[in-house]
Amino acid sequence: EAQLVESGGGLVQPGGSLRLSCAASGFTFNTYWMSWVRQAPGKGLEWVANMRQDGSEKLYMDSVKGRFTISRDNSKNSTYLQMSYLRAEDTALYYCARFRRYLSSWYFDLWGQGTLVTVSS
Amino acid sequence: QSVLTQPPSVSAAPGQKVTISCSGSSSNLGNNYVSWYLHLPGTAPKLLIYDNNKRPSGIPDRFSGSKSGTSATLGITGLQTGDEADYYCGTWDSSLSAVVFGGGTKLTVL
Repeated sequence: EAQLVESGGGLVQPGGSLRLSCAASGFTFNTYWMSWVRQAPGKGLEWVANMRQDGSEKLYMDSVKGRFTISRDNSKNSTYLQMSYLRAEDTALYYCARFRRYLSSWYFDLWGQGTLVTVSS
Repeated sequence: QSVLTQPPSVSAAPGQKVTISCSGSSSNLGNNYVSWYLHLPGTAPKLLIYDNNKRPSGIPDRFSGSKSGTSATLGITGLQTGDEADYYCGTWDSSLSAVVFGGGTKLTVL
């Protein structure tokens, strides 16, 4: 069964850093784009970043450009989100998701349970 | 304020049908397929519909999707109390170079 498991969330002070991890299993990891999506308290889903199978293309939402970095290690079936210069508005449940992209088709077909990031002093 | 517009809430009785709308523009829904997700807060979202009207394996045919121009619709028939959740539409926005979601619609089965 295909599965994604996130880890690494926690409480961090404004301006601090945190690295999220996502372990994939049950599918051929290196054939899929991977993504991070978040949900702030009381808000809707918000896409954060995508990464191509070989790492050659990375996409970010505007508010995290220059602060967040998505990466992956295909040998470990894992993807990561390095978050720096964290702000209170980055507080959210962060989901790892498998992303399908071809032509005009874009969707997330597998999601993890999420890991909570709280930015507060 | 979300790029895609959904009604904040919809409701219907068990066994009835409900539709959820998703409105966008030429830079997103007008030129890209829509997908729909079911989400219970704090749990993993689930893909319900992709490529406008396709259902992943395991999703019952009570769920359907359609798109016309810059608007899309999710339909749910034979409503069950277990369908109570938040529903989101999503697509790519070519002008923003970003994946965009609607603000979400809370479904209540009365």
